[in-house]
Amino acid sequence: RKEVEQDPGPFNVPEGATVAFNCTYSNSASQSFFWYRQDCRKEPKLLMSVYSSGNEDGRFTAQLNRASQYISLLIRDSKLSDSATYLCVVNGRAGNMLTFGGGTRLMVKP
Amino acid sequence: EAGVVQSPRYKIIEKKQPVAFWCNPISGHNTLYWYLQNLGQGPELLIRYENEEAVDDSQLPKDRFSAERLKGVDSTLKIQPAELGDSAVYLCASSFSGGPADTQYFGPGTRLTVL
Repeated sequence: RKEVEQDPGPFNVPEGATVAFNCTYSNSASQSFFWYRQDCRKEPKLLMSVYSSGNEDGRFTAQLNRASQYISLLIRDSKLSDSATYLCVVNGRAGNMLTFGGGTRLMVKP
Repeated sequence: EAGVVQSPRYKIIEKKQPVAFWCNPISGHNTLYWYLQNLGQGPELLIRYENEEAVDDSQLPKDRFSAERLKGVDSTLKIQPAELGDSAVYLCASSFSGGPADTQYFGPGTRLTVL
């Protein structure tokens, strides 16, 4: 079993739609959680950190469920520019050792 | 402020040849990481440096891969000899302190093709 699992997609949604991605992680001792965004043939960039209380940044909302070892990302009012791969990332080992999921590809269409 | 710089951006070599990648982290960042990313997958950590010390290289295939970070700034990742399965994107990242919640900033990567 992979340490961080995501549905690879692709998720094809129309502009304006709401879309949610889920991610599960296997290490219950994981401390920090993130969503990174990666555009085609570009490097990953931090989208947002995920806190136990949940957090929101504009159209993006991230939730963490430690009991179920589950992380989610909700995107409201999707824009064409949201098309990218979204990587679920968990820091589960000593130091800043990030473990990446395989990514979920989102395609927003006109 | 300049981001993480990597070179070359692209490299095509024949199998069994050596290859080297270079990374210059963000100024002031003590922690440097090398990742490998295969198509359709997330990055996988190869090695992590705290200043000039390699603190985690458990995922680095040491029979053919080597890395160094002299003087705790720039780093070089080398493969010798390269194999067909080494074709991937090699990403360098840096962070300020290496703490568990510290943001990692990635360079644009080096896309390696082994023929």
